[in-house]
This record gives sequence, C-alpha cells and structure tokens, in this order.
Amino acid sequence: DILMTQSPSSLSASVGDRVTITCRASQNIRSSLNWYQKKPGKAPKFLIYAISNLQSGVPLRFSGTGSGSDFTLTISSLQPEDSATYYCQQGHSTPVTFGGGTKVEVK
Amino acid sequence: EVQLLESGGDVIQPGGSLRLSCTASGFTSNYAMTWVRQAPGKGLECISGITGGGATFYADSVKGRFTISRDKSKNTLYLQMNNLRAEDTATYFCAKDLVYGDGYWDFENWGQGTLVTVSS
Repeated sequence: DILMTQSPSSLSASVGDRVTITCRASQNIRSSLNWYQKKPGKAPKFLIYAISNLQSGVPLRFSGTGSGSDFTLTISSLQPEDSATYYCQQGHSTPVTFGGGTKVEVK
Repeated sequence: EVQLLESGGDVIQPGGSLRLSCTASGFTSNYAMTWVRQAPGKGLECISGITGGGATFYADSVKGRFTISRDKSKNTLYLQMNNLRAEDTATYFCAKDLVYGDGYWDFENWGQGTLVTVSS
C-alpha cells in the first residue's frame, strides 16, 4: 500500500498568513494527488485534484503544487473559515490512501 | 444536483453484522463509488471502492469482513459489514468519483455520513 505522510500534523496561524502543508508519498504517484478539507460534523470537501486543479467553487487562495512523490497545499491568505483539518489522498493505486491530516487553527 | 444519502448506521455488538446503504441521485450509476470512514478523533480511511464496471478493492483492515456492492437499478451503493470489531466504530461516508467510469478515485461528492458504533 502507498503510505501518505503529511506535515505538520497541526499548525496555528493568523488571519492573512500564508500557510503551507506538505504531503509525501512512499512512491511515485504521478499526478494522482488530491486535497480535502474536513470540519467536525461535516462531510469532507473536495478542494484540489490532480495536484493543482481547483475544484469548482473553491476560493483562489487555495493552491496545490508538486510532482512525483512530494506535494504541497498552500493557503495564500488564511481566513477564519479555513479552520479545519486538511488531508491529502492518492488515487494512483488501490487501496486508496489518505495522509494523516493537518489540523489548521486560525488564531 | 448530486445527492448521496447514507443509512443503516446503528449500535451493534462485537461480532455482529450490519449493512450500510448509500442512495444516490442526480447522476448515472456508472461512476466509481467509495466508502470512507472516520473513527472518533482519527483521520480519514478509505476502506472500499467499486468501479463503474464492478471491480472492487478493500483496505487490509476490512478485507474478508466487508463487502461492497451496488444495485444500479436502484442507484444504491451498499457495504455489508460482518464480524464487526470495536475498532470499526466510525462515521461512514460514501463518495462519488469526479470522472465517469473506471476508478480515478477523486472523491468529488460526499454524503453526510452514518454512525456505526460497535460496543457490548
């Protein structure tokens, strides 16, 4: 199975800050890397697919980069509503696997 | 509009069985579908998926105990869960792929989840 490792596991930042979350796959997953936002009691929200493609309706402050096995989610200007846990996920091979999550707190 | 509605969650004793359903609307039945769970205080875990053509996969944690299936005529996805364990306690979500057909495993649409509690 492909192991997805996220860092950091949590972070705290202020409104307007630039926030970066990294995700590393245990092998090359080409472009099959997605990002989700999860808030307590809510369904996960699909943010970015195929490394850098923003899902419809997702604010432009979210962006994704990377290739091969190293990927990054960036929030360019953190907003209060971005308080959530963020997960990367690989769809390159089954079983599909998620990273452990990064909890983002907005000060 | 795509809608996914899970049902079937319950409190069940260890060793018991349960079947979850995910009723879908707003799209044709040939999209890959997936079950993802989240245990209390834990992260997301993809436990099973089925392609538009019927190929399936399972996470090691549920292999041999859980079975995914779908009834295209009812546009419903199922998860048969047998020999349940305490560690299966979680909210179970169904999700639909972004792209029609084979599994690309890009989970565009999600249901709200159904809670399964395994406890004596």
